[in-house]
Amino acid sequence: NAGVTQTPKFQVLKTGQSMTLQCAQDMNHEYMSWYRQDPGMGLRLIHYSVGAGITDQGEVPNGYNVSRSTTEDFPLRLLSAAPSQTSVYFCASSYSNLAGPNEQFFGPGTRLTVL
Amino acid sequence: GENVEQHPSTLSVQEGDSAVIKCTYSDSASNYFPWYKQELGKRPQLIIDIRSNVGEKKDQRIAVTLNKTAKHFSLHITETQPEDSAVYFCAATGGSQGNLIFGKGTKLSVKP
Repeated sequence: NAGVTQTPKFQVLKTGQSMTLQCAQDMNHEYMSWYRQDPGMGLRLIHYSVGAGITDQGEVPNGYNVSRSTTEDFPLRLLSAAPSQTSVYFCASSYSNLAGPNEQFFGPGTRLTVL
Repeated sequence: GENVEQHPSTLSVQEGDSAVIKCTYSDSASNYFPWYKQELGKRPQLIIDIRSNVGEKKDQRIAVTLNKTAKHFSLHITETQPEDSAVYFCAATGGSQGNLIFGKGTKLSVKP
């Protein structure tokens, strides 16, 4: 099992550019989520999905879009990058939370810099 | 919504000493409290978790205690070693979907 994978590992964008951060998992997890990590701020939830075709907003969704067309993939789109989106982005997945929360497994992260 | 406070933000101990990190949460419906360890440049990894129907859980040198009445939970690391040096995050579930809300982290340094 590869677990949770993310691409790219590093990315530099100019203000106004758009891009997609990829996330995939091979554990047949229903729940997937995106976090951003900024110094001194912990991990903040951007968007999450409880299954294919279902997504919802987290704590800090502005400027980001997601979709979940398959169980395996959960891409995060930056519509028009801003310097405030400079951060490390982590994707995570877990088994369904319907019967109670479960351990979330994190991907290796994508370090994004917006100039 | 759920709010998780974590203290201290930095903690320095001598090798062999114990370390304690404390978190408080606001949502009385929270029912799952994991602790993650993140080494520099790496992904967060679960080290221990506790559910609301349990007051204490132990795994070798690591233990977590939960006080639901006071809405706080703590991580205890005994006989600390240099490899315990990392940032530790607590979290609690918030909202109907069981999303995790994280504390801001504690940077633990264990001096040889």
